Amino acid sequence: DIQMTQSPSSLSASVGDRVTITCQASQDINNYLNWYQQKPGKAPKIMIYDASNLETGVPSRFTGSGSGTDFTFTISSLQPEDIATYYCQQYENVPLTFGGGTKVEIK
Amino acid sequence: QVQLVQSGTEVKKPGASVKVSCKASGYTFTSYFMHWLRQAPGQGLEWMGIINPSGGSTSYAQRFQGRVTMTRDTSTSTVYMELSSLRSEDTAMYYCARKLSNRFDFWGQGTLVTVSS
Repeated sequence: DIQMTQSPSSLSASVGDRVTITCQASQDINNYLNWYQQKPGKAPKIMIYDASNLETGVPSRFTGSGSGTDFTFTISSLQPEDIATYYCQQYENVPLTFGGGTKVEIK
Repeated sequence: QVQLVQSGTEVKKPGASVKVSCKASGYTFTSYFMHWLRQAPGQGLEWMGIINPSGGSTSYAQRFQGRVTMTRDTSTSTVYMELSSLRSEDTAMYYCARKLSNRFDFWGQGTLVTVSS
């Protein structure tokens, strides 16, 4: 199975800050990576697909980049509604696997 | 609008089975594969498998092979996930999620399954 390692596991930032989350795959996954946002008590929501494509309706302050084994998810200006846990997910191989999540909080 | 509505909370004893349903609406049911995932309390997401509602073919994660069965009923646009030989570690929120290209674009609201003696 492909292991996905996310960091940090949690972070605290101020409104307006730039926030960056990294995800590392245990092997080359090309750009076969998605990012999801999950708010407490809710199902996850797709934010970024194919490593860098913004899902329709998602604000442009969210971006993704990377290829191969190293990926980055960025919120350019953190907003209060962005408080959530974010997960990366690979689809290079089955089983589909997720990172452990990054919990984003407001300082 | 696309909706996936799952069945309600379940409480089961160890060794029992559970069958969770996911009723789709707002799109052509047979045109999109459906995944099942789960999330243990306070934990991350785990992929369980996928079903093609058109032909009924399935693919399961190795760790659930032999314990999970995914089926569908095209007459009601519903997919089902049955997990047998339940143990306490199967306590989790179970989600269905529609497959669009290589991502999960719509999710059910989740079904909490608690396994406890």
